[in-house]
Amino acid sequence: DQQVKQNSPSLSVQEGRISILNCDYTNSMFDYFLWYKKYPAEGPTFLISISSIKDKNEDGRFTVFLNKSAKHLSLHIVPSQPGDSAVYFCAAYGGNNNDMRFGAGTRLTVKP
Amino acid sequence: NAGVTQTPKFQVLKTGQSMTLQCAQDMNHNSMYWYRQDPGMGLRLIYYSASEGTTDKGEVPNGYNVSRLNKREFSLRLESAAPSQTSVYFCASSDPYQPQHFGDGTRLSIL
Repeated sequence: DQQVKQNSPSLSVQEGRISILNCDYTNSMFDYFLWYKKYPAEGPTFLISISSIKDKNEDGRFTVFLNKSAKHLSLHIVPSQPGDSAVYFCAAYGGNNNDMRFGAGTRLTVKP
Repeated sequence: NAGVTQTPKFQVLKTGQSMTLQCAQDMNHNSMYWYRQDPGMGLRLIYYSASEGTTDKGEVPNGYNVSRLNKREFSLRLESAAPSQTSVYFCASSDPYQPQHFGDGTRLSIL
């Protein structure tokens, strides 16, 4: 029962363009959402988060959008840089359990 | 500036052997977590501990046990290793509604 889904295993974009990574969730009790970035042979690192009381949060080149009615969130990276190439995980927290659930990840490749 | 420390970094086991993965955090977080990462499956929660003295099952707890030894330490034990448990294991810690901090992982191969 995968409660958080990232349906695109990979995404390739040109340097300077926008990268859009998508995530869907099924549990309406989730109320805190995060994006993590992971390089090979390292643990995931926190990138940006959003609470369910907001629909947008920005941090520099990174913006997360939340559509609660559609149970969908997205991460926008503008402009994309080669150093952004990594696996991006979407995560959701809340509900009856004090745990965090992750999606399967999307591998982003930014080409110079 | 250690954060979350996992030991060992690599391990090879034979089927049926047992071992314990260790995790320690120095950020005074209440919650600690164990995940496994497999290709195409993302990070799946094995067990978590919301606070010292409590542990709860996650998505894939079968074949594992955990111990929250104190606020800093949370160990994961494989009693009888199986090839299906070959994976990369990550430990994380956080406070509620705060980002998790992850260790660098333990790469476990079971032959």
